Amino acid sequence: TQLLEQSPQFLSIQEGENLTVYCNSSSVFSSLQWYRQEPGEGPVLLVTVVTGGEVKKLKRLTFQFGDARKDSSLHITAAQTGDTGLYLCAGAYLSISSGSARQLTFGSGTQLTVLP
Amino acid sequence: GAVVSQHPSWVICKSGTSVKIECRSLDFQATTMFWYRQFPKQSLMLMATSNEGSKATYEQGVEKDKFLINHASLTLSTLTVTSAHPEDSSFYICSCLPGSTDTQYFGPGTRLTVL
Repeated sequence: TQLLEQSPQFLSIQEGENLTVYCNSSSVFSSLQWYRQEPGEGPVLLVTVVTGGEVKKLKRLTFQFGDARKDSSLHITAAQTGDTGLYLCAGAYLSISSGSARQLTFGSGTQLTVLP
Repeated sequence: GAVVSQHPSWVICKSGTSVKIECRSLDFQATTMFWYRQFPKQSLMLMATSNEGSKATYEQGVEKDKFLINHASLTLSTLTVTSAHPEDSSFYICSCLPGSTDTQYFGPGTRLTVL
């Protein structure tokens, strides 16, 4: 079983502050996805990182995939109240039980609250 | 693109009844679909992997006779919770895998409440 540890679990910050969320594993993933989930809705894909050391930027969000493809981070600059939500990282790996399709193992999630 | 729908969005049923949840990929074909379960304040837990035209593969601890999965076409998978009990109350989410990439696209989820 692939495990993905995500931290912090909860984060409450003031608008304008910066923050970083981390996902770590002892396993290597073929790729890593970051999702954001609102209450009562399904996760919405933010980004997929594939190459070790890859950095992707999405406006104020910066995603990084570790060189060894075992860890990833999400950095938000100048957080806004609209960034509030549950952020989930998910690592893709090949499972024998799923045939050729790669399954996802999810981190525990980071509940971010940005206060005005 | 990559839109996934689920129906119903919520359902309330009596204990002992069966409930069917549909997952559809609207603008792409998905050879593989996944079913997840999410309890409040928790992350997603994979229940099973559904491949079109073949039997689903269930994760350890998930009863295949209780959670029946049918993936009859490249755009539709169904999850039937049989003889539902209050402990089956949860948020059920499907995802679809287009092509050979790793990225899964998720449906909006179905909130099941068993009384």
